[in-house]
Amino acid sequence: DVKVTQSSRYLVKRTGEKVFLECVQDMDHENMFWYRQDPGLGLRLIYFSYDVKMKEKGDIPEGYSVSREKKERFSLILESASTNQTSMYLCASRRTGGNTGELFFGEGSRLTVL
Amino acid sequence: GESVGLHLPTLSVQEGDNSIINCAYSNSASDYFIWYKQESGKGPQFIIDIRSNMDKRQGQRVTVLLNKTVKHLSLQIAATQPGDSAVYFCAENIGPAGNQFYFGTGTSLTVIP
Repeated sequence: DVKVTQSSRYLVKRTGEKVFLECVQDMDHENMFWYRQDPGLGLRLIYFSYDVKMKEKGDIPEGYSVSREKKERFSLILESASTNQTSMYLCASRRTGGNTGELFFGEGSRLTVL
Repeated sequence: GESVGLHLPTLSVQEGDNSIINCAYSNSASDYFIWYKQESGKGPQFIIDIRSNMDKRQGQRVTVLLNKTVKHLSLQIAATQPGDSAVYFCAENIGPAGNQFYFGTGTSLTVIP
């Protein structure tokens, strides 16, 4: 069974803390993504990566950074968490080419910043 | 920016009835569309996709219709079951590398037993 695994389902952090969200996929996918999901706004792309050590900004990269040192792992970093970063964070992966272009999502990490 | 939206934020249907969830998109250049289902507390799951060279695609109990003239797509669920209760998103694929997906805000489907 193919999987995208997010290390933390629920996190509570304080303003100013550094936050790491980890994501691992076991499908050997080239592309990985971080989205945040907020009520009424849908899913918004923060960053994506199409190869190891490569990254591209999405629509809302401000306040975030990412790291992709290995193909299977894509980390989202909040250098100094703020309350407006309270959200559900979704990691996804996708294969380049093939018959379908579907994104495979993890279960999500719900972050609360106090 | 791109706009991918849904006509109704909520939809309630009787068990056994057919459900239709609609989605509008704004970019004529989009060539790939996906419907996702998201159950409470879970990540989105792929339901069905369609490319712009098709008007209709069928899966198991689901059908996606694409009308490029009015930039509209719909998801039809036949014989809706309680397990179909979830939020449904359409996603539009934009970008030369195919990595720019834009998601609608979602329609919450409630199936009444």
